[in-house]
Amino acid sequence: KAGVTQTPRYLIKTRGQQVTLSCSPISGHRSVSWYQQTPGQGLQFLFEYFSETQRNKGNFPGRFSGRQFSNSRSEMNVSTLELGDSALYLCASSPRQWPNEQFFGPGTRLTVL
Amino acid sequence: TQLLEQSPQFLSIQEGENLTVYCNSSSVFSSLQWYRQEPGEGPVLLVTVVTGGEVKKLKRLTFQFGDARKDSSLHITAAQPGDTGLYLCAAVSSGSARQLTFGSGTQLTVLP
Repeated sequence: KAGVTQTPRYLIKTRGQQVTLSCSPISGHRSVSWYQQTPGQGLQFLFEYFSETQRNKGNFPGRFSGRQFSNSRSEMNVSTLELGDSALYLCASSPRQWPNEQFFGPGTRLTVL
Repeated sequence: TQLLEQSPQFLSIQEGENLTVYCNSSSVFSSLQWYRQEPGEGPVLLVTVVTGGEVKKLKRLTFQFGDARKDSSLHITAAQPGDTGLYLCAAVSSGSARQLTFGSGTQLTVLP
């Protein structure tokens, strides 16, 4: 089975812009979760989508949003980018609803200038 | 929100040495997962422990879940350079509002 894929792998944006990241889960996995990883805060949960509905949400501002399509692919959007949004954004899929075992993609490295 | 503490934060050892990484909390967990993350990649699930006192082995890696399900350890025997990476524990909280919380990680470097 192919693993979780994320695009793009690297992204550079400037403050105030918005960005959309994409994630394709492992075939058959209906749960897709998004995480932010930074050296200072570690790995933090953003939200989870299961069957096209957001089922769980972490403690992030409303600038961070997402959606899931009928084929389980997911997108995450960050609006009005801030310098502190620079991070590795990881997508993870699972055959069961969060918070069970997570199968991570390689991540998207976002740099905000 | 439960807090997961991992120790040590950094560990640099020579090939062939043994090591233990710890994951501790004051909260009781429903289950605990261990992941390894290599540079430029996402974390990869190594094991899940569910029962208090449970011990699982994965080749040279031994994982133990504390009897009270508040802590866990990862022991590596005869470490190899390929073991280098960031080791993360992640705990599933017990109760109705289940959450998955990641520890801050242990960065392991095994020198040849």
